[in-house]
Amino acid sequence: SQTIHQWPATLVQPVGSPLSLECTVEGTSNPNLYWYRQAAGRGLQLLFYSVGIGQISSEVPQNLSASRPQDRQFILSSKKLLLSDSGFYLCAWSATRWKDYGYTFGSGTRLTVV
Amino acid sequence: GQQVMQIPQYQHVQEGEDFTTYCNSSTTLSNIQWYKQRPGGHPVFLIQLVKSGEVKKQKRLTFQFGEAKKNSSLHITATQTTDVGTYFCAGLSGTYKYIFGTGTRLKVLA
Repeated sequence: SQTIHQWPATLVQPVGSPLSLECTVEGTSNPNLYWYRQAAGRGLQLLFYSVGIGQISSEVPQNLSASRPQDRQFILSSKKLLLSDSGFYLCAWSATRWKDYGYTFGSGTRLTVV
Repeated sequence: GQQVMQIPQYQHVQEGEDFTTYCNSSTTLSNIQWYKQRPGGHPVFLIQLVKSGEVKKQKRLTFQFGEAKKNSSLHITATQTTDVGTYFCAGLSGTYKYIFGTGTRLKVLA
């Protein structure tokens, strides 16, 4: 069966520090991968998605970046965090071909920038 | 850009009462998905609707896709405390990405 791992679960970082969040998927190949951010009590904002190794589509211009160095690995990074980067970051995967299964989300990382 | 709005934003109901959340898109959707996010948790996929006017049921949950494929609804009959959470709809934008609605937060009072 397919599983998605996301870490760390919580993170407190000072303003101006770098960030690296990692997400890996097991049990499937060539997944579509996504990074979403959710502000407290709000909806989900799509940040990046990838349909293949090295292919990254950015949805929101900001100081975040994403990379996909391997088929089932998706990394979210920042060189210098801002206070506004605080939020709940969620990684998700979906099958490349259309299926009636939707997104499978990781358990998320709660980032607090102080 | 494409927007997906949900109403209401919040809903408090007594246990046993019914609940409905509505999802409206600014553009026609090829399909729509529904997710549930428990407090402190991550969204979990519930269902996908594809056809115009489609109705699907999961136990006490009934999902509808509008005839014009621009709106959808989720109706819960006889709510239970386990139904607490935020319900999101998500519409397909392009080929690979879904745009999530603003969500409806449901609280069930025992």
